[in-house]
Amino acid sequence: AQTVTQSQPEMSVQEAETVTLSCTYDTSESDYYLFWYKQPPSRQMILVIRQEAYKQQNATENRFSVNFQKAAKSFSLKISDSQLGDAAMYFCAYRSVSGDKIIFGKGTRLHILP
Amino acid sequence: DTEVTQTPKHLVMGMTNKKSLKCEQHMGHRAMYWYKQKAKKPPELMFVYSYEKLSINESVPSRFSPECPNSSLLNLHLHALQPEDSALYLCASSQETGWITEAFFGQGTRLTVV
Repeated sequence: AQTVTQSQPEMSVQEAETVTLSCTYDTSESDYYLFWYKQPPSRQMILVIRQEAYKQQNATENRFSVNFQKAAKSFSLKISDSQLGDAAMYFCAYRSVSGDKIIFGKGTRLHILP
Repeated sequence: DTEVTQTPKHLVMGMTNKKSLKCEQHMGHRAMYWYKQKAKKPPELMFVYSYEKLSINESVPSRFSPECPNSSLLNLHLHALQPEDSALYLCASSQETGWITEAFFGQGTRLTVV
């Protein structure tokens, strides 16, 4: 069975600085999809970034980028130029190519310090 | 329209009550999901509907009864709940199950069982 591990329950970063959130996963599959979701206090889960395992190039979305290390089964999220609106719970998630389930890590609460 | 709309936003019900949670999307998505999320925990999958048919039931107690009347609507009927069922219930939809696509989430219904 697949598992997703986020080892940092909470992190803080100064506004305008860069922060990296860690995620590791375990799977025996060769093809799959990884996501970072953000859940602010408004409760809605919002997709931040997506990575297809067959792609070697790391995904980027504006200030958000990932460091995808397939052999190490690592999928970290880097947030550059942190903004107050980035404060939220961040979930790393895994989805099989053929599966219907999205498996979530336990989350990392990110605080942005003004 | 990229929204998943859930109603009500908040619900308080007694253990003998019958209530329903509603979820609606107009993105043409053919897969819809119910998740349960306890405080400071990741979402846990409850049910998946694919093309209006139940495809996954994660061994959820029968006091939770899902229904998919059409491709845009998803209901969760609640009956004889327990206080430990109090949680945030999230609805999500995606273009297809098994396809490489993210799920779009609603804002959730905060359920309190008294």
